[in-house]
Amino acid sequence: GAVVSQHPSRVICKSGTSVKIECRSLDFQATTMFWYRQFPKKSLMLMATSNEGSKATYEQGVEKDKFLINHASLTLSTLTVTSAHPEDSSFYICSARRTSSSYNEQFFGPGTRLTVL
Amino acid sequence: AQSVAQPEDQVNVAEGNPLTVKCTYSVSGNPYLFWYVQYPNRGLQFLLKYITGDNLVKGSYGFEAEFNKSQTSFHLKKPSALVSDSALYFCAVRDPYNQGGKLIFGQGTELSVKP
Repeated sequence: GAVVSQHPSRVICKSGTSVKIECRSLDFQATTMFWYRQFPKKSLMLMATSNEGSKATYEQGVEKDKFLINHASLTLSTLTVTSAHPEDSSFYICSARRTSSSYNEQFFGPGTRLTVL
Repeated sequence: AQSVAQPEDQVNVAEGNPLTVKCTYSVSGNPYLFWYVQYPNRGLQFLLKYITGDNLVKGSYGFEAEFNKSQTSFHLKKPSALVSDSALYFCAVRDPYNQGGKLIFGQGTELSVKP
């Protein structure tokens, strides 16, 4: 159990377009999901915390109008990169925190590689 | 402020030798500590965690870690390294009472196991 999926796994888009990335908890409910960005061989940078039914909480320096997060259900959060530019190219990873866990463990998705041309 | 440090960017080990990947932390209360492994172009896989109890924690793939409160460390170890252990390893800490349960990650250590 505790599987998290991301779709797509890889996406290439033109500069100026918007890209949506989905994060799903497949076999558990997650009231909280997290979105991270990772540069090559670097640590994960937390972008935002997504809470089901409420607005996301963004980390300092992350543009909320550029990185739109929607957590519409207990099993789905989406990250939309609006008006993407080449500097947005990165590896985006989501995680889901299992609500029923007493330690609120996080389970990570496989990541989405975004390349903006 | 909470923080995690992995002092080594890279660790090189010969296959069959023991390996250690170091991690130290700073948190105000009693920490929840985690180790994750990442293979190229993949998400993070959970290895093990320390919440409470026995300081020696055993995890997946033969890995273990020892919680040392006095040294604020949580080093990852394995008695006999495999080539397939080569990957990027992250230590993470969560303060259960603060920060909304966010995980704070170390900068990562690249483990290279040579045959």
